[in-house]
Amino acid sequence: DAKTTQPPSMDCAEGRAANLPCNHSTISGNEYVYWYRQIHSQGPQYIIHGLKNNETNEMASLIITEDRKSSTLILPHATLRDTAVYYCIVRQNTDKLIFGTGTRLQVFP
Amino acid sequence: GAVVSQHPSWVICKSGTSVKIECRSLDFQATTMFWYRQFPKQSLMLMATSNEGSKATYEQGVEKDKFLINHASLTLSTLTVTSAHPEDSSFYICSAPGTASETQYFGPGTRLLVL
Repeated sequence: DAKTTQPPSMDCAEGRAANLPCNHSTISGNEYVYWYRQIHSQGPQYIIHGLKNNETNEMASLIITEDRKSSTLILPHATLRDTAVYYCIVRQNTDKLIFGTGTRLQVFP
Repeated sequence: GAVVSQHPSWVICKSGTSVKIECRSLDFQATTMFWYRQFPKQSLMLMATSNEGSKATYEQGVEKDKFLINHASLTLSTLTVTSAHPEDSSFYICSAPGTASETQYFGPGTRLLVL
């Protein structure tokens, strides 16, 4: 069973920040939070991951709450090409990836 | 970043035939690869873990005799769908962990249509 809960869909205006929430209330101490996205008819793409500190890379920022029970993926300036299904996954580093239902983000002009 | 390729990208076959899908890590070695299946409008479902030089590990409910996996080298894993039927039509995706094992790199997927 997936260990995360995400809203099924979200909309975002082009150029605005997209904030995608994820609940993982049963996360254990050695589990990381990973984010992947899947653009239609393509393989998933790694975005970012973190353990407890906030993380930022060229694609996005990951904000993890202090109790680690939830996190938010932030796309600072969404573009039409960011339209995809975004998956939040909790795993230990060597575990296989188990995908939940994800959030379908629609970026509109 | 690391690249994973799949071949073919799409295939159409008749019911009862077998189809082989290849997954290659192009610029790194992978002792483990993963195979997923995805039906329309659904999430990815992990089918099995492919282990180089040993037997694959299948997830619960996945028929190992139906979906044959061979991981003969450090850069190649194959999935053979034996005696394919229309209900096997799906999007098959493989992945391989990067050198740090922190991330997984996914192939572009293979779309199978069984008539």
